[in-house]
Amino acid sequence: DSGVTQTPKHLITATGQRVTLRCSPRSGDLSVYWYQQSLDQGLQFLIQYYNGEERAKGNILERFSAQQFPDLHSELNLSSLELGDSALYFCASSVSSLDSPLHFGNGTRLTVT
Amino acid sequence: KNQVEQSPQSLIILEGKNCTLQCNYTVSPFSNLRWYKQDTGRGPVSLTIMTFSENTKSNGRYTATLDADTKQSSLHITASQLSDSASYICVVSPLGGSYIPTFGRGTSLIVHP
Repeated sequence: DSGVTQTPKHLITATGQRVTLRCSPRSGDLSVYWYQQSLDQGLQFLIQYYNGEERAKGNILERFSAQQFPDLHSELNLSSLELGDSALYFCASSVSSLDSPLHFGNGTRLTVT
Repeated sequence: KNQVEQSPQSLIILEGKNCTLQCNYTVSPFSNLRWYKQDTGRGPVSLTIMTFSENTKSNGRYTATLDADTKQSSLHITASQLSDSASYICVVSPLGGSYIPTFGRGTSLIVHP
């Protein structure tokens, strides 16, 4: 058990809708990362937060947004969903953004129909 | 552009056999390289970390090597077990900047009895 909790585990929704994915990082970890993993694709970095502040952005679409709250949990909001947004969304946390390992949750599987 | 290339894309071996997975990277300057194991439907888990000055590191039946001059790493699995069936992902972290690691697309390993 990595200590990172993601909810929900599965999400099925229709095109055009909006969903929110939630992540609780490992106790003591200040950094939270969001990744997207499409079928047979590698993990694509979306965004990183450190202690409530946005630290780095990857290939995150404008339809997607995220935030990290004072209790350090994070939410990833996906809006105007398209079929191509169907993927596994992983949250990871680490102590810092340097050479600490990333501890991953088990992901939220999003299916857009 | 920072890139991490892994080979082979997939590999099938018999239980008890050894195998070696390859990783080439262009990330520069380089901080560290990690190998992660991702079981189907689960988040990746860190197996090893290697820094610039390290050539070899072992974790049980897993042995990682690093040649920082040629920017190549390998992961050798000895006496494979059915539970080794997973995707193995090479992740390289830069020194400086946003410190965001670059993920390879992974090698899918299937161990048959």
